[in-house]
Amino acid sequence: QVQLVQSGAEVKKPGASVKVSCKAPADTFTRHYMHWVRQAPGQGLEWMGIINPSGGSTTYAQKFQGRVTMTRDTSTNTVYMEMSSLRSEDTAVYYCARDRGLGGGWLDRWGQGTLVTVSS
Amino acid sequence: DIVMTQSPDSLAVSLGERATINCKSSQSVLNTSNNKNYLVWYQQKSGQPPNVLIYWASTRESGVPDRFSGSGSGTDFTLTISSLQAEDVAVYYCQQYYSTPRTFGQGTKLEIK
Repeated sequence: QVQLVQSGAEVKKPGASVKVSCKAPADTFTRHYMHWVRQAPGQGLEWMGIINPSGGSTTYAQKFQGRVTMTRDTSTNTVYMEMSSLRSEDTAVYYCARDRGLGGGWLDRWGQGTLVTVSS
Repeated sequence: DIVMTQSPDSLAVSLGERATINCKSSQSVLNTSNNKNYLVWYQQKSGQPPNVLIYWASTRESGVPDRFSGSGSGTDFTLTISSLQAEDVAVYYCQQYYSTPRTFGQGTKLEIK
């Protein structure tokens, strides 16, 4: 079973930034695009964007444009999602998930999730 | 953006009975060049990440029990659980991967009656 291992829970103040990591097996990193999805407490799933770990290209949901940056580190097979100007509404579990293909597929493997709490 | 709308929002079914969840997209997610519907169903149990049940609208993921089935084409889709088991209590989501942004339905909460 493919394991996507995410970083631990974070507590941030409004206006701060957070960076969540997601480490993937080497073959996943080179062959699959990676998505980020978030889920506010008791709410549904919200797609944030996608990154090509090999080339670094990204596409973001319009809602997150300018506030979210997805990057990768090829030396450690890790993708990152950084969100700035945090507000209370950003309190959520953030998931990384593997695209079944090269960006045109479904999300077939998910990380365990990272809870980000934004509170003063 | 393609809007995905599920119905009902919640559902209570007796053990052993059939459960049916619907998903409607605001635009067709059928790619006529390959005749595939870009629609996936996920199951999310409490405190866990989602898990793939069905992709291409009707192809069961490896390891998923055959009581789960998907049907539909174009804009209207259905997830059916033929005989509800206790372990099927979860929230179910549809998602389209036809276009970006990928969009999810709001979820359907399935409980035991």
